[in-house]
Amino acid sequence: DTGVSQNPRHKITKRGQNVTFRCDPISEHNRLYWYRQTLGQGPEFLTYFQNEAQLEKSRLLSDRFSAERPKGSFSTLEIQRTEQGDSAMYLCASSLAGGARYEQFFGPGTRLTVL
Amino acid sequence: SQELEQSPQSLIVQEGKNLTINCTSSKTLYGLYWYKQKYGEGLIFLMMLQKGGEEKSHEKITAKLDEKKQQSSLHITASQPSHAGIYLCGADGSGATNKLIFGTGTLLAVQP
Repeated sequence: DTGVSQNPRHKITKRGQNVTFRCDPISEHNRLYWYRQTLGQGPEFLTYFQNEAQLEKSRLLSDRFSAERPKGSFSTLEIQRTEQGDSAMYLCASSLAGGARYEQFFGPGTRLTVL
Repeated sequence: SQELEQSPQSLIVQEGKNLTINCTSSKTLYGLYWYKQKYGEGLIFLMMLQKGGEEKSHEKITAKLDEKKQQSSLHITASQPSHAGIYLCGADGSGATNKLIFGTGTLLAVQP
């Protein structure tokens, strides 16, 4: 078990460009979460998947954001037409199942800088 | 909506001293998670508490959830420079989705 991995670790892009991040959860975990963290703040929930089904999306997730988990394994988060306000750390987490009984493990994050 | 408030916001202690970080929720907590984060990195899971009055320890770190399940504390005994970082509490407000709400974090510095 290698833990949750995320790629790339850093991404610098120009405003208006599209970017895509990848998350590979712990292999037996059914739940996969995306969070966003800005400097000096705690992570904020964006969306989560149960297997391949996207069950909830935060109001923070504008229509420029889309997330997928096509085979219930890895997930991608795409941001279209990036804006400077999208600059943040994007964190992925996974857990065995839903409910407060299960620990949620985080990846190292992808730091996005929009110039 | 549920909010988590952490105190203090930052803390500087001398190596070897004990310290406590608090996390207070505006609503009942169904699950309370403590994480540690190094600057610019991901979150490292420390402990999860579910039951009122529950207490867990790992090495020199002890976390408690009060009986009413609205406040948690994280206590570090005999702090070391390796304990430095940002401590975050996260809560599952519904007990079903495991979608976590986080506090703003406590920045801990340990002076040798």
